[in-house]
Amino acid sequence: ETGVTQTPRHLVMGMTNKKSLKCEQHLGHNAMYWYKQSAKKPLELMFVYSLEERVENNSVPSRFSPECPNSSHLFLHLHTLQPEDSALYLCASSQDPGLTDTQYFGPGTRLTVL
Amino acid sequence: EDQVTQSPEALRLQEGESSSLNCSYTVSGLRGLFWYRQDPGKGPEFLFTLYSAGEEKEKERLKATLTKKESFLHITAPKPEDSATYLCAVQAFGDDKIIFGKGTRLHILP
Repeated sequence: ETGVTQTPRHLVMGMTNKKSLKCEQHLGHNAMYWYKQSAKKPLELMFVYSLEERVENNSVPSRFSPECPNSSHLFLHLHTLQPEDSALYLCASSQDPGLTDTQYFGPGTRLTVL
Repeated sequence: EDQVTQSPEALRLQEGESSSLNCSYTVSGLRGLFWYRQDPGKGPEFLFTLYSAGEEKEKERLKATLTKKESFLHITAPKPEDSATYLCAVQAFGDDKIIFGKGTRLHILP
């Protein structure tokens, strides 16, 4: 595997379900990100992790819970979601968030909340 | 407040018809401006980073330029495979966030 991978690619869940999104980067980067992409809206940054520590949390509802066990893996745990949370969830990585480093994106997980 | 505005929202061109996409930005101190390409159902793919006014970068049929207020992505003699959404993003000094615009959907007709 190369670059940034995400699983699953598609997910349908009910509002009472608990699920997790997984991201893995094979680039040796130190920073990882979660973004939400909804139709007709710009990419919205949700979380930033640098060297496994959360450095940014853009006022994301607590029903989204990130986890970064090491610099290569990032999870987004989901529970009690709302239909408006349906979107494409993108993971990205970069060498360092403090510099103007290119972010490399995964293919995304298309989430549908019923 | 830092902002990024892209125009037009959508653009249809004939194959070979050159044009430009615009990205206007308002940021306290620009650290870098990024252009990405995004195909349907996929994550954004990095194209260019520009750091200072006057800088230009080229890749195949694409050329990105930067002024103190805006960036242009010029596309010369486009082909149908250039059809995608083009995203512009900026990062300010002292900030780990990158702010994205809504993108321009480009459709090249054969």
